[in-house]
Amino acid sequence: QVQLQESGPGLVKPSETLSLTCTVSGGSISSSSYYWGWIRQPPGKGLEWIGTIYYTGNTYYNPSLKSRVTISIDTSKNQFSLKVSSVTVADTAVYYCARHSSSFTYLDYWGQGTLVTVSS
Amino acid sequence: DIQMTQSPSTLSASVGDRVTITCRASQSISSWLAWYQQKPGKAPKLLIYKASSLESGVPSRFSGSGSGTEFTLTISSLQPDDFATYYCQQYNSYLFTFGPGTTVDIK
Repeated sequence: QVQLQESGPGLVKPSETLSLTCTVSGGSISSSSYYWGWIRQPPGKGLEWIGTIYYTGNTYYNPSLKSRVTISIDTSKNQFSLKVSSVTVADTAVYYCARHSSSFTYLDYWGQGTLVTVSS
Repeated sequence: DIQMTQSPSTLSASVGDRVTITCRASQSISSWLAWYQQKPGKAPKLLIYKASSLESGVPSRFSGSGSGTEFTLTISSLQPDDFATYYCQQYNSYLFTFGPGTTVDIK
């Protein structure tokens, strides 16, 4: 059973960089079958796809966030990471990592999510 | 970008009711659509993929249909565990988008 777990600071100051890591267990992040994604959900609002990475390092970003987002992967640690620069209060959200099933498709396994608050 | 809409935004229903939620795409996405259920404080859970394929372990009272631009999620007989928010998501292109969600609450 694949499990994903987000980790990182729960509080970030405005203009700083938000950094989160997703640790995958129960399966290899280097599998050629899967892509790995980040999704966020502001309090009381809907879901927004942030971006996705393949084990080769290929990345795909939401154009609305692309200029501030970097997703990377560390296959030796079975982890992938998210950085969002120049954050504002609008970046306050629960951040989820998830696995895309069978290539770049729907999301079949999700982490529990982690709340990141942007506040001074 | 492909925009997704859902209707209704909120639905009040009783246990045993048949419930239908509609999702529309701004352009054709073939059958590249998934449905998720989310309960408060929890991650979304995959219910349906490729418009009508039931994810393993999901009760058979859930079903999906549609193709192109119009899709539906149907719960044949609403159970107490089904009160939640439901999201559709298209994966037709390398730019995923979710619908705004439909909350199913107790009538």
